[in-house]
Amino acid sequence: GAVVSQHPSWVICKSGTSVKIECRSLDFQATTMFWYRQFPKQSLMLMATSNEGSKATYEQGVEKDKFLINHASLTLSTLTVTSAHPEDSSFYICSARQGGAEAFFGQGTRLTVV
Amino acid sequence: QKEVEQNSGPLSVPEGAIASLNCTYSDRGSQSFFWYRQYSGKSPELIMFIYSNGDKEDGRFTAQLNKASQYVSLLIRDSQPSDSATYLCAVGTGGFKTIFGAGTRLFVKA
Repeated sequence: GAVVSQHPSWVICKSGTSVKIECRSLDFQATTMFWYRQFPKQSLMLMATSNEGSKATYEQGVEKDKFLINHASLTLSTLTVTSAHPEDSSFYICSARQGGAEAFFGQGTRLTVV
Repeated sequence: QKEVEQNSGPLSVPEGAIASLNCTYSDRGSQSFFWYRQYSGKSPELIMFIYSNGDKEDGRFTAQLNKASQYVSLLIRDSQPSDSATYLCAVGTGGFKTIFGAGTRLFVKA
């Protein structure tokens, strides 16, 4: 399968600071990338869909000013959690579509806000 | 009604048995169907995808799709303890969205 690399794999930050998470498709061009959040023992929750060169489409209830998504190239999308608070602590996962309908996931980023 | 429904489990099967995981979806226009495996603390990995009615086999895994019943299943033959994980059913809706079920936890007892 295609390779999607996500970085960092874990991060601890202080409340009020911002954190940037990178998602890269290593061996294919991803016109569409997705960002998910997953709380312990819960399902993946789609946060936003990101298309290269255009604004991300956010799911209902997701604050676009808090979760900034940039998809500047066909191989890179970033998610910035701004002014993070403890309730933002979660497992954030990106995925990318190669061209078919199947999506491949990055390794995930465990964010802990203290 | 949730868009993609799965029994949360846990489903417990003995080693060597067949594990059967089920999923129903609400959007009749869905065209693509996926099964992902997720180990605790890890991100999901794609196991199977199926687009057409019927069965699709890959090694020990068989995906079954019945669009009329809006039902998709995953069979795991000769289950191994290493198969113990949460299995996520995902459905590709119109456009680019993929909707995930809550997942079924599978335990394979040695």
